[in-house]
Amino acid sequence: SQKIEQNSEALNIQEGKTATLTCNYTNYSPAYLQWYRQDPGRGPVFLLLIRENEKEKRKERLKVTFDTTLKQSLFHITASQPADSATYLCALDTGGFKTIFGAGTRLFVKA
Amino acid sequence: DAGITQSPRYKITETGRQVTLMCHQTWSHSYMFWYRQDLGHGLRLIYYSAAADITDKGEVPDGYVVSRSKTENFPLTLESATRSQTSVYFCASRYGLGLNTEAFFGQGTRLTVV
Repeated sequence: SQKIEQNSEALNIQEGKTATLTCNYTNYSPAYLQWYRQDPGRGPVFLLLIRENEKEKRKERLKVTFDTTLKQSLFHITASQPADSATYLCALDTGGFKTIFGAGTRLFVKA
Repeated sequence: DAGITQSPRYKITETGRQVTLMCHQTWSHSYMFWYRQDLGHGLRLIYYSAAADITDKGEVPDGYVVSRSKTENFPLTLESATRSQTSVYFCASRYGLGLNTEAFFGQGTRLTVV
């Protein structure tokens, strides 16, 4: 069956360090992959999208990589800040209506 | 206000009752979606709609009914609520389904069935 896995354990890092979150998938050939941020009590908010033929995408302090051979995406936040503390969701899309979301990884950035 | 809004934000209902969750978007996006979010699970698609009067089932549609008589509204009805439907429900809209058409989510409705 199709499956998306994100690290269920929370990630705790010190302010200023780089946070790296992982998204692995199986039995799936996504056209593109998205990352969302979700704060407690709020809906997810779109951050970045990367296509299957792109290796890397950047937006300010955010960087996403996409390895279709490994079936993995890495999401990096450089120079992390306490305000970056949130849950980050990855989502796979084949181009149809069926976007598959991971369960998310909670990030805590300590000052 | 522009955007996508859900109501109510919180709802407690009894087993067996019918309850309707509302979703309204102001962008005239064609696609609208209902997801539920439970601990340990990703967002799971309940129903989606490609346009007014066009709806289809998602991954977990049992026990739910949707309608879309107007582009901007997409209500979700639990016909006879069960405890397993206790969850946080999110409505989302998208302009299209291709690239650069990310989903915009509402604030969510926390539903408790007792």
